[in-house]
Amino acid sequence: QSALTQPASVSGSPGQSITISCTGSSSDVGSNNLVSWYQHHPGKAPKLMIYEGSKRPSGVSNRFSGSKSGNTASLAISGLQAEDEADYYCCSYAGSSSLLFGGGTKLTVL
Amino acid sequence: EVQLVESGGGLVQPGGSLRLSCAASGFSFSTYWMHWVRQAPGKGLVWVSRINSDGSSPSYADSVQGRFIISRDNAKNTLYLQMNSLRAEDTAVYYCTREPVGRVEPDYWGQGTLVTVSS
Repeated sequence: QSALTQPASVSGSPGQSITISCTGSSSDVGSNNLVSWYQHHPGKAPKLMIYEGSKRPSGVSNRFSGSKSGNTASLAISGLQAEDEADYYCCSYAGSSSLLFGGGTKLTVL
Repeated sequence: EVQLVESGGGLVQPGGSLRLSCAASGFSFSTYWMHWVRQAPGKGLVWVSRINSDGSSPSYADSVQGRFIISRDNAKNTLYLQMNSLRAEDTAVYYCTREPVGRVEPDYWGQGTLVTVSS
């Protein structure tokens, strides 16, 4: 299976809002609501930001939100802050106990 | 506090073997399914393998099927990945991750261990 498709990079100024898309197929993103998003600062452990499409784990800021339409999931970040600068990965359950990740998006806070 | 600490990475020649370990603490390890995920240099995350709570049902990505073996020792709170017939394309940081009970998407991750396959 090919990786889910994410834009390579997005950028925004502090206080602005951005959205990162994640496009898959009817076999993964489109087949269930098991899409998650991870924030990854290089050299550190990835951090779960969104699970089951739109749910936030305890402790994650409500500036982060998730949604899905058809075969495309999205992560929105509002009120951008310098510490949001990181790589973001989407992930979908792909059947047969497997997971499929996106290629990653580098978020730059200008 | 949930902690996952990987170890065992290093430099290995093509065709060689290596065993990674992941020491878990801060939660009831024996009740959780676990995953290995890797990241090649400059690339994205890629799922490698998954194992159920009692170790009886492993699954693998096609790229490692037949070469890698995932296992666990619930008495030692440790997850393993035995990697055989290693190739240059297996070079990556390997992360162990925890799958929450009743869900699929991993929640906690370790900081990873680097495996380099090169002659």
